[in-house]
Amino acid sequence: GENVEQHPSTLSVQEGDSAVIKCTYSDSASNYFPWYKQELGKRPQLIIDIRSNVGEKKDQRIAVTLNKTAKHFSLHITETQPEDSAVYFCAASDKAAGNKLTFGGGTRVLVKP
Amino acid sequence: NAGVTQTPKFQVLKTGQSMTLQCAQDMNHEYMSWYRQDPGMGLRLIHYSVGAGITDQGEVPNGYNVSRSTTEDFPLRLLSAAPSQTSVYFCASSRQGGGEQYFGPGTRLTVT
Repeated sequence: GENVEQHPSTLSVQEGDSAVIKCTYSDSASNYFPWYKQELGKRPQLIIDIRSNVGEKKDQRIAVTLNKTAKHFSLHITETQPEDSAVYFCAASDKAAGNKLTFGGGTRVLVKP
Repeated sequence: NAGVTQTPKFQVLKTGQSMTLQCAQDMNHEYMSWYRQDPGMGLRLIHYSVGAGITDQGEVPNGYNVSRSTTEDFPLRLLSAAPSQTSVYFCASSRQGGGEQYFGPGTRLTVT
């Protein structure tokens, strides 16, 4: 089955700096790669996603890049703000396997004012 | 739309007790799933369903049962609760064909 590894597990940045989180996946059949943000005590919420036919996607301060050959994808947050402090999860899924999502272990991001 | 709803929000069980965690969605989504989230860890898939009458096991299915008699509801049953099942449980749904999974608010379960 799919295995998703996420690094780093914790990330501390100064407000205004950029944050980068990286994930690798094992199943080359995976074709959907979402990123979820989870604030303390809340449910995970989708912030951006990318499909395997696209190499990069951007939404305001958030961008995701995908390298299918190397089987890794990354989340980039620019101009970080205190409200970006949360746990971020990457995931991968294979439509042929019923769209099961396999999650990475999460990255706790702390933005220091 | 209420989205994905879960009940109860909190539950304390004694070892050996059974219970059912309820999950419902009003978005007519075909795909529903249950995850557990342990402290400091990611989400692990317990069971999932691609449509009414169809269920399958995820990564950590032992000790849990599911059924999907309607599109809207996907209950998770704990057969004989164990302390190792202490966790936060999230239900999620998405439309058929993949895409964003919408999560419920979660159920915090403690087994003593």
